[in-house]
Amino acid sequence: DARVTQTPRHKVTEMGQEVTMRCQPILGHNTVFWYRQTMMQGLELLAYFRNRAPLDDSGMPKDRFSAEMPDATLATLKIQPSEPRDSAVYFCASGQGTGPAGYTFGSGTRLTVV
Amino acid sequence: AQSVAQPEDQVNVAEGNPLTVKCTYSVSGNPYLFWYVQYPNRGLQFLLKYITGDNLVKGSYGFEAEFNKSQTSFHLKKPSALVSDSALYFCAVREGGNHQTGANNLFFGTGTRLTVIP
Repeated sequence: DARVTQTPRHKVTEMGQEVTMRCQPILGHNTVFWYRQTMMQGLELLAYFRNRAPLDDSGMPKDRFSAEMPDATLATLKIQPSEPRDSAVYFCASGQGTGPAGYTFGSGTRLTVV
Repeated sequence: AQSVAQPEDQVNVAEGNPLTVKCTYSVSGNPYLFWYVQYPNRGLQFLLKYITGDNLVKGSYGFEAEFNKSQTSFHLKKPSALVSDSALYFCAVREGGNHQTGANNLFFGTGTRLTVIP
């Protein structure tokens, strides 16, 4: 089965450090999403791309977060500098943006900032 | 604006009994509706979707959901619950249609934790 691959699966870092999370979407999918999941807020949309172009990143704190798609096979989410409140599970999902299909989620990156 | 409400944070059901996980939605156009399941330490897995057609949609693992336009609901159901169904369930909606630009992302509910008691 085709799958969305996220790395790393787990990341523990100290406050102030830069964190980079990577996502390999399913080949042929033209839409990529970044979600953050916490107990308090549930699933929050951070940003999404279609055909590698950012369409909406209004859910992302701009001062410290950045999301890019350097090519069709890689999406990145960076946090610089990281803070303890960024601790969460970050999910990437991909799909065909204009079609009716559901999106496929990766297994997530569990980030802990101490 | 699009939104999803899952009114129950927690649903408990005995093994073998029927289960229902509730979901209501709000969307300006035609809805595309989805259910996802999340097992511990895993990503979200797609269960089923409603796009158009028959209001009763069948999905993975024996789950089904009924689209009710008048009540703007899309409740998830299963005739006989299994202990292995215990997980976190998310309902999601997005506006249907052929969007080339603009918002086409999934809006998720807050999730319902289903516990099936042996």
